[in-house]
Amino acid sequence: KAGVTQTPRYLIKTRGQQVTLSCSPISGHRSVSWYQQTPGQGLQFLFEYFSETQRNKGNFPGRFSGRQFSNSRSEMNVSTLELGDSALYLCASRQGPSSPLHFGNGTRLTVT
Amino acid sequence: ELKVEQNPLFLSMQEGKNYTIYCNYSTTSDRLYWYRQDPGKSLESLFVLLSNGAVKQEGRLMASLDTKARLSTLHITAAVHDLSATYFCAVDPNNNNDMRFGAGTRLTVKP
Repeated sequence: KAGVTQTPRYLIKTRGQQVTLSCSPISGHRSVSWYQQTPGQGLQFLFEYFSETQRNKGNFPGRFSGRQFSNSRSEMNVSTLELGDSALYLCASRQGPSSPLHFGNGTRLTVT
Repeated sequence: ELKVEQNPLFLSMQEGKNYTIYCNYSTTSDRLYWYRQDPGKSLESLFVLLSNGAVKQEGRLMASLDTKARLSTLHITAAVHDLSATYFCAVDPNNNNDMRFGAGTRLTVKP
């Protein structure tokens, strides 16, 4: 089975711009979660989607949004980028409620 | 708010030695997960612990869960250099599907 695929791998944006990141989960996994990883804050939960519905959301401003499509692929969007948004954004899919998360390789976002 | 605390955050040990990483969490949960992250790489699942008293072992690593104490341990036996990585524990309380991670323990095994 193919793993979780995230695109692009690297992004450089300037303050004020917006960005869209994409994630394709493992085939058959309907739950997709997004995390932000930074050296200072560690791994922070952004949101989780299941069957096109956002079930949970972390403590991030409304500039961070996401969606899931009927094929379980997911996108997250960050608008009005700030320098502090520079991070590794990780997507993970999950087979069921007791299953571990399977992570993609991440998208490294740099905001200048 | 759920807190997941790991200690130590940094661990430098010599090959052949034993050590334990601790993971405490602040809310009721009978599910705990351990992950490994190599530098520049993504996270890889190591163990899934789904009940009180659960113990899982893989090679030189053994994880256990005490839900009453809200404590999980990751024990390293006879460490080797290949175990150098950052280890995260994570809790998914109340089956909310929002898994929360500890800060990670950066393990360095020196020859």
